[in-house]
Amino acid sequence: NAGVTQTPKFQVLKTGQSMTLQCAQDMNHNSMYWYRQDPGMGLRLIYYSASEGTTDKGEVPNGYNVSRLNKREFSLRLESAAPSQTSVYFCATRETVAQETQYFGPGTRLLVL
Amino acid sequence: ILNVEQSPQSLHVQEGDSTNFTCSFPSSNFYALHWYRWETAKSPEALFVMTLNGDEKKKGRISATLNTKEGYSYLYIKGSQPEDSATYLCAFARNTGTASKLTFGTGTRLQVTL
Repeated sequence: NAGVTQTPKFQVLKTGQSMTLQCAQDMNHNSMYWYRQDPGMGLRLIYYSASEGTTDKGEVPNGYNVSRLNKREFSLRLESAAPSQTSVYFCATRETVAQETQYFGPGTRLLVL
Repeated sequence: ILNVEQSPQSLHVQEGDSTNFTCSFPSSNFYALHWYRWETAKSPEALFVMTLNGDEKKKGRISATLNTKEGYSYLYIKGSQPEDSATYLCAFARNTGTASKLTFGTGTRLQVTL
């Protein structure tokens, strides 16, 4: 039982390059989230998916797109990376409305030059 | 934009000291208040989720209280140990009707030394 996994763990991009961050969970949770963590700021929600087939914007969605491929997988795509997107990205899951706890993946550290 | 504020920003205590942190959040449209423990180079791990005014939760030496009317929660650590060193995050959940979205504070970084 791996919980929440993220790939890659670390990535360096040049400005303008694109990439997709992958998140997968084996917890059979309905809701999935993408956050970014920057120094001096709390975790900020980029996008979330309440259930398979639905996605919604969070607090800081600009420059990102997401895909909820199936119940297990939720990917985050940067179409044209910018230095401002240098950050640590965390994926999280949550089971049901009654179960509020979010479970976090190990994070992806992204550096955009 | 919801404001979730935590204080102090950082704290340095000695082993055996007891300590507490504060999380303040909007008191309107409250759904839940979360506490997470985040060790360096790891991912946040849930400590408590509290939903009712007056809730008190305890896990070992760590406990938390909740006041939804005035919009604050306290996290207490009794007899701090070096392994308690971490950043403690609180997060506010507002009732959105669908997936519960969390707004995180910036955390209190605790350092416990021998």
